[in-house]
Amino acid sequence: AQSVTQPDIHITVSEGASLELRCNYSYGATPYLFWYVQSPGQGLQLLLKYFSGDTLVQGIKGFEAEFKRSQSSFNLRKPSVHWSDAAEYFCAVATPGGSYIPTFGRGTSLIVHP
Amino acid sequence: DSGVTQTPKHLITATGQRVTLRCSPRSGDLSVYWYQQSLDQGLQFLIQYYNGEERAKGNILERFSAQQFPDLHSELNLSSLELGDSALYFCASASGQGGLSSTDTQYFGPGTRLTVL
Repeated sequence: AQSVTQPDIHITVSEGASLELRCNYSYGATPYLFWYVQSPGQGLQLLLKYFSGDTLVQGIKGFEAEFKRSQSSFNLRKPSVHWSDAAEYFCAVATPGGSYIPTFGRGTSLIVHP
Repeated sequence: DSGVTQTPKHLITATGQRVTLRCSPRSGDLSVYWYQQSLDQGLQFLIQYYNGEERAKGNILERFSAQQFPDLHSELNLSSLELGDSALYFCASASGQGGLSSTDTQYFGPGTRLTVL
């Protein structure tokens, strides 16, 4: 079974600084990988996904993520954080050819200082 | 706005009671997924329906059940409620039934917050 780990429970950055949120997965082959954002009181919104092909994936709101097979990682990045990016971020993994049910990490809470 | 609606937004009830949560998927989406988000367990998949039929089952308790109706809305029924059932329950919809389709993205509703006292 697949699993996903987000090692950082909280991350604090200053507005305008760069951001990297870590995600490591466990799966025998190349999984489907996702990043979601959950703003306070809101549902989850898909930021980006990786299925195959180019390992650098561009998403919405200026986010990107890079799939690194050798490190079993799918880290989320943003070059310049805005105060509105403060939210909970979830990495998820799903099994290709399966029922497409994602397994979620426990989430990383992003705090943005002015 | 994802296009997925969930009612009610908040629900407060007592232990032993039964509640029904409702989800309306995005127009044209045939799949509905239910998730539970709690502090203890994180975000967990409960069950998926596709065009009225159960498609996949996750960590759903026997006290919980769901169905999808001909108009594609779905209901999650929670019975014999316990304190530990207090959580945020999300519904998500997708156009397909999952599998190899790379365009099958799940769109999440705002959730129903259930508090069991």
